[in-house]
Parts: sequence; structure tokens; C-alpha cells
Amino acid sequence: QKEVEQNSGPLSVPEGAIASLNCTYSDRGSQSFFWYRQYSGKSPELIMSIYSNGDKEDGRFTAQLNKASQYVSLLIRDSQPSDSATYLCAVNRGGGADGLTFGKGTHLIIQP
Amino acid sequence: KAGVTQTPRYLIKTRGQQVTLSCSPISGHRSVSWYQQTPGQGLQFLFEYFSETQRNKGNFPGRFSGRQFSNSRSEMNVSTLELGDSALYLCASSLADPTNEKLFFGSGTQLSVL
Repeated sequence: QKEVEQNSGPLSVPEGAIASLNCTYSDRGSQSFFWYRQYSGKSPELIMSIYSNGDKEDGRFTAQLNKASQYVSLLIRDSQPSDSATYLCAVNRGGGADGLTFGKGTHLIIQP
Repeated sequence: KAGVTQTPRYLIKTRGQQVTLSCSPISGHRSVSWYQQTPGQGLQFLFEYFSETQRNKGNFPGRFSGRQFSNSRSEMNVSTLELGDSALYLCASSLADPTNEKLFFGSGTQLSVL
């Protein structure tokens, strides 16, 4: 049974600080890893994808992947109130198998 | 470029009825995936269609079915509705491989079963 685990939060971070969101997964065969952001009442939108071990940076966002530890993280630097949302971690084996498995999400609150 | 369009936005049904939801993907996208989102279970994969063929299916009962038309538009059907089917149903499109590409989600259909 594939599982993706996230701390549901809420995770409260002061504005301007670094927000660190974590995700663990159970399927060692997982190859593709994604972070989606979902604002309340809205649909998810992709903010980061990562496929190999290490860090991937895009603006204020950095995704980190450690396949040996089955761990994916998302760092948000210089957090802004507009970053307040639920962040969903999603993983898949790739090749179209079984769709994406999503975690239940971490609710992030950036305090002004 | 128009986004993913889902209709209707809201639906209220009673137990035992059936329902059909519609999804129009982004132009040029051939893969359409369906997800169920509930507060308790989060986002769960229902099925994925590509070129009118179901390529993958999640762990849902046979009451949940879908299809895709030649223009990539997709419908999902839920028969014999149960209270537990109340959820937000999200459709997502991608070019070809939804597990390696960005998924573009529609606004969803909020289904309430009474």
C-alpha cells in the first residue's frame, strides 16, 4: 500500500522566516515527486517537481529529495502571508502507473 | 489558453441516484485524471484516461466509472450514490504522462449526497 505522510499542522511561521515542510513516502519504487499548493476553496497548483536526489531551487522555493531515507521536503524562504495555504506532497513510480498518491497536506500559516 | 473546465460546479443528490460529471481539459492535453478529495482522506486517485482509453484505475468500487471522448473531454459517472460519496471531485489534465508532468486541475465539482 503506497502511503505519503505529512504533518497536518497547522504550521505557523513568522513572515520573512523559512518555512520547512516535510513528507515521507513508503514506496521505494517512487520516482517522481511533486509539491502542490492549495488555497482554501481552490484547486491544487503545482509549485515544484523533483526527480533525483538533492536540492532543486526555484525562486523562493527549494525542494529536497533523499530517496535512501524516503523523504521529500519543501523550503520556502522569505515567507509571505500569500504563502498561507495547504501544501500537498505527491509521489508516483512514474510511467503512468496508478496515478499520483497525495499526502493529506500540511496547513501553513504565515503570520504577518 | 483556457484552463480545465469542470461542470457542474455544485451538485446535490440523494442516496441511490446516479450522477455524471464533466471535464474539458486544456487544449492539446490528451490525459485526463480524476481525483476525489475529502477532508478525511485527502486527494485520492480515481482513474486516468488517455486517447479514449482508461490507462489506470485507483482503488474505488465499480460504481465509479468514466470515459473519454475523441476530443479528450471526459466524464465520470457514479451510480447508486452513497452518503460517503460526498466530496469534491477534481479533474486534472496533462499532455501525456500525469505522473511525470505538471497536472492542471479544474475547479472541481462539489457533490453532496443527502
